[in-house]
Amino acid sequence: AQKITQTQPGMFVQEKEAVTLDCTYDTSDQSYGLFWYKQPSSGEMIFLIYQGSYDEQNATEGRYSLNFQKARKSANLVISASQLGDSAMYFCAIGPGAAGNKLTFGGGTRVLVKP
Amino acid sequence: DSGVTQTPKHLITATGQRVTLRCSPRSGDLSVYWYQQSLDQGLQFLIQYYNGEERAKGNILERFSAQQFPDLHSELNLSSLELGDSALYFCASSVAPSSPTQLQYFGAGTRLSVL
Repeated sequence: AQKITQTQPGMFVQEKEAVTLDCTYDTSDQSYGLFWYKQPSSGEMIFLIYQGSYDEQNATEGRYSLNFQKARKSANLVISASQLGDSAMYFCAIGPGAAGNKLTFGGGTRVLVKP
Repeated sequence: DSGVTQTPKHLITATGQRVTLRCSPRSGDLSVYWYQQSLDQGLQFLIQYYNGEERAKGNILERFSAQQFPDLHSELNLSSLELGDSALYFCASSVAPSSPTQLQYFGAGTRLSVL
């Protein structure tokens, strides 16, 4: 079974500063993907960034980067130059699993950007 | 806009009733996934269909069922509704059923309130 742990239930960040959201995972699969999604207050789930287990370089997408440390089983999301619109819930997910193609999500981290 | 369409956006109904949630995947996507997001259980995978056939099953209650039609849209049927079924139900889609790199794009969700 796969598992995602997000230990930070909520955090504040000052506008224009960087913030790191922690994510650790557990899986017995050799090949897997790690995903981050953003859920604003409106409720939709927005895909942010993906990292494959065999990717040697950390993924980056604009202001988002994924700090992937395979030996430590961590996949932290870094948001640089935070903006007010970054205030949202952020979910880390792993997939697919041996039992199917589902994504397994962590409990999420709520980020509030202060002006 | 992810390209995944879910209707209705909101649904209010009473205990014991039956409802149908509808999902149209992104153009070209053959695989559809259903997830439930509730306060106590978080985001959980319910079921996956690929090209009309059930592919994987998660913690889906026997009162719930789903199907994917020849035009690839999917419906999630919830019957004998209980208060605890109140949740945000997401549909996601991807091109193929199995690959670590397969991104799942989520719809905006259907918020179900059972009174």
